Amino acid sequence: GQQLNQSPQSMFIQEGEDVSMNCTSSSIFNTWLWYKQDPGEGPVLLIALYKAGELTSNGRLTAQFGITRKDSFLNISASIPSDVGIYFCAGNHFPTNAGGTSYGKLTFGQGTILTVHP
Amino acid sequence: DSGVTQTPKHLITATGQRVTLRCSPRSGDLSVYWYQQSLDQGLQFLIQYYNGEERAKGNILERFSAQQFPDLHSELNLSSLELGDSALYFCASSVDTYNSPLHFGNGTRLTVT
Repeated sequence: GQQLNQSPQSMFIQEGEDVSMNCTSSSIFNTWLWYKQDPGEGPVLLIALYKAGELTSNGRLTAQFGITRKDSFLNISASIPSDVGIYFCAGNHFPTNAGGTSYGKLTFGQGTILTVHP
Repeated sequence: DSGVTQTPKHLITATGQRVTLRCSPRSGDLSVYWYQQSLDQGLQFLIQYYNGEERAKGNILERFSAQQFPDLHSELNLSSLELGDSALYFCASSVDTYNSPLHFGNGTRLTVT
């Protein structure tokens, strides 16, 4: 099945530093999504990428859909304490179920735990 | 606020028992997904429904079942509970079943004692 390798597993940085994390796969994905999860809450969508090579920003966040469709990265610039949390990448591909219907199947990376020291 | 509502927020029960988790999707979303999150397994896909019909199954145990009702809310039933079933259970919804992003609720934390 589809596997996503997300790195690093954890990061400890100083406020104001830039952050970079990435996900790679041995298989092609059609969509890449990045989520952030705060303690006690569900994952919140940060950025969605739909085309190979696409570079998208959301405030201080920038993400790219790799040209090979097998990888994606997320950058956070000028980190602040509220950036603390777990960041997940997720890749979507379209298998076909037993009834012959194609559907979106989202596979998540294992997450990157970000700690920001003031 | 994602617009996805899950109840209850916390559930504590004993081994062998049965529980029901409830999810109301975002307004307009037809597809509902259930995920299990444990410390060592990350976010694991359990099952997906679209407009009342099961669309895809993931790593869902036979002791677990789900359904989506005509009003599009969904329930996840967990029976013969074991200690290892303790986890966070998330519901997510999306507009369709194909390429639209998933929006997650805040989860139900299940503790089996």
